[in-house]
Amino acid sequence: DAKTTQPPSMDCAEGRAANLPCNHSTISGNEYVYWYRQIHSQGPQYIIHGLKNNETNEMASLIITEDRKSSTLILPHATLRDTAVYYCIVRGEGAQKLVFGQGTRLTINP
Amino acid sequence: GAVVSQHPSWVICKSGTSVKIECRSLDFQATTMFWYRQFPKQSLMLMATSNEGSKATYEQGVEKDKFLINHASLTLSTLTVTSAHPEDSSFYICSAAAGRWEKLFFGSGTQLSVL
Repeated sequence: DAKTTQPPSMDCAEGRAANLPCNHSTISGNEYVYWYRQIHSQGPQYIIHGLKNNETNEMASLIITEDRKSSTLILPHATLRDTAVYYCIVRGEGAQKLVFGQGTRLTINP
Repeated sequence: GAVVSQHPSWVICKSGTSVKIECRSLDFQATTMFWYRQFPKQSLMLMATSNEGSKATYEQGVEKDKFLINHASLTLSTLTVTSAHPEDSSFYICSAAAGRWEKLFFGSGTQLSVL
C-alpha cells in the first residue's frame, strides 16, 4: 500500500471548517483513500473513503485531486468533540488490513 | 455502523501471568479480524490478522508464541498475552471486516498494565 504524509498537528477554531491535508504521491490506480480518527483512549472511528471522486457524508467531505496524489478531509463546522488524531490511509482494492501512519493531531479550540 | 465489542476495557496483572482479551462482532459475522497494539503517543501497529477457523498471520517482529490468537467463530477472536511482562503494557485494539471489505470497524480497546 502507498505511503501517506500528513502534518503532525493542526489547530482549528470551533465552528470553522477544518481542512486536513494528506499526500499520497505513490498511490496506484486501484488504491482507495481512507480517513479514520482516534479520540484519546478509544478505538479508531471510520470517517470516509474514496477512490477518485469527491465524497461527502454526514461527518465530512473528502476532496481528492485529479492526479490522486493528495487529498483533503474537510470537517465543515468543527466542534470541540472533533479533537482527535486523524489518519489518512491508502488501501488497495481487496486488501483488508489497514496500516496506520502517524496521523495529524487536530485540536479544536474554543 | 457495525459494532465491535472488546473486553475488558482495562486490565492490570502481575508479571508472568497471562491475559486474555476478547473481540466480538455484535451484529455481523467477521471472517477476518485484526489485532493492533498502540504505545503512548504512537500510532497503531498491526500485530496480526486473525482468520476464522485457521491460524493467524503475524506481522514481522511479533512473537506468535507470546501473543496467541484464536478465532474459533465468526463473531469472536481472542488475543492472549502469555507470560506478560511490563514491556507488554500497551493499548490493544481489535478490528473486524464486516462482510464487505470497504470498512473496518474497531473495538474500543483494552489498556493492559503489567506490574
